[in-house]
Amino acid sequence: QSALTQPPSASGSPGQSVTISCTGTSSDVGGYNYVSWYQQHPGKAPKLMIYEVSKRPSGVPDRFSGSKSGNTASLTVSGLQAEDEADYYCSSYAGSNNFYVFGTGTKVTVL
Amino acid sequence: EVQLVESGGGLVQPGGSLRLSCAASGFTFSSYEMNWVRQAPGKGLEWVSYISSSGSTIYYADSVKGRFTISRDNAKNSLYLQMNSLRAEDTAVYYCARDDTMIVDYWGQGTLVTVSS
Repeated sequence: QSALTQPPSASGSPGQSVTISCTGTSSDVGGYNYVSWYQQHPGKAPKLMIYEVSKRPSGVPDRFSGSKSGNTASLTVSGLQAEDEADYYCSSYAGSNNFYVFGTGTKVTVL
Repeated sequence: EVQLVESGGGLVQPGGSLRLSCAASGFTFSSYEMNWVRQAPGKGLEWVSYISSSGSTIYYADSVKGRFTISRDNAKNSLYLQMNSLRAEDTAVYYCARDDTMIVDYWGQGTLVTVSS
């Protein structure tokens, strides 16, 4: 099972928006609405930011939003803040054979 | 507060074995599925294994199938990963993570496994 494809990096100035794409196939992203997004700061555990494509867990700012079209999911961070600088990973359920597949990761830099 | 604390990592020679543990607290452990996810140094996340709440359903990534065994003890609120025939490419931080029906929502801080001679 191949990893989902994300751009290696993305950046924006404070207050701006950044959108990260996550491209898979009809066997994962396109086939299920079980796409999640995780934020990971250096040396820390991943933190769930979005689940089921567009839902936010309690405590996650509404500056974070998710969407999906076909085999590509997207995470948008609006009103960028310094603390948003981190690595972001998407993940999708991929059926009982491969179960979960993660994205290649995107490093977001706040300029 | 949900807490997941991994232990058991360390340095092991290629071909060796290691058993990881994950102690869970702050939630009803027996009601949740669990996963192991790993991250090689400087690399991305890789799903390793899944176990259902009762332990009756188990899945593995192809990269570890036949070498790793996931298990759980609901009476002890603990998750385990028995790793045999370890290879250099198994070197990673191993995270245990709670699964709420396709939502992997809480992660431990991880334990580092280094496979090297």
